[in-house]
Amino acid sequence: SQTIHQWPATLVQPVGSPLSLECTVEGTSNPNLYWYRQAAGRGLQLLFYSVGIGQISSEVPQNLSASRPQDRQFILSSKKLLLSDSGFYLCAWSPKGQYGYTFGSGTRLTVV
Amino acid sequence: RKEVEQDPGPFNVPEGATVAFNCTYSNSASQSFFWYRQDCRKEPKLLMSVYSSGNEDGRFTAQLNRASQYISLLIRDSKLSDSATYLCVVSPGAGNQFYFGTGTSLTVIP
Repeated sequence: SQTIHQWPATLVQPVGSPLSLECTVEGTSNPNLYWYRQAAGRGLQLLFYSVGIGQISSEVPQNLSASRPQDRQFILSSKKLLLSDSGFYLCAWSPKGQYGYTFGSGTRLTVV
Repeated sequence: RKEVEQDPGPFNVPEGATVAFNCTYSNSASQSFFWYRQDCRKEPKLLMSVYSSGNEDGRFTAQLNRASQYISLLIRDSKLSDSATYLCVVSPGAGNQFYFGTGTSLTVIP
């Protein structure tokens, strides 16, 4: 069966510090991968999606970036965090040609 | 105009009640529709897909109205464990982009 792992679960980082969140998927190959952010009391905002290794599409201009160095690995990064980067970050995957996401358990980021 | 709109609620209903949520979408070419459930401080989880003919899963019924561009979720015989936020999700069908509503909060009261 397929599983998705996301870590860390919680993170408190000072403004201006770097960020690296990692997400891996097991039990499938060539998945579509996504990074979402959910700010407090708000809906899910798509940040990045990837249909393959090295292929990243950005939905929202910001100081975040994403990379997909391996088929089942998706990384969200920032060189310098802002207070506004605080939120609940969710990685998700979906099979090719099918619909419906499966989310990771999320990372709750607080920038202080 | 937002791709997907939902009434944020909150809906507070007694146990055993029937409650319905609606969600409207703006893109008439949308092809895939889902309801997700999100518990407090947890990730969203797929509750059910929504098919053109409507579909039922136990106490839950989902319907699609393409003419009016909305989908609905009906919960019968509400349980305390149904308390959560329900997210409406719509996709144009290309497989790469899903649009989430902001969610409808439901609290089932003893």
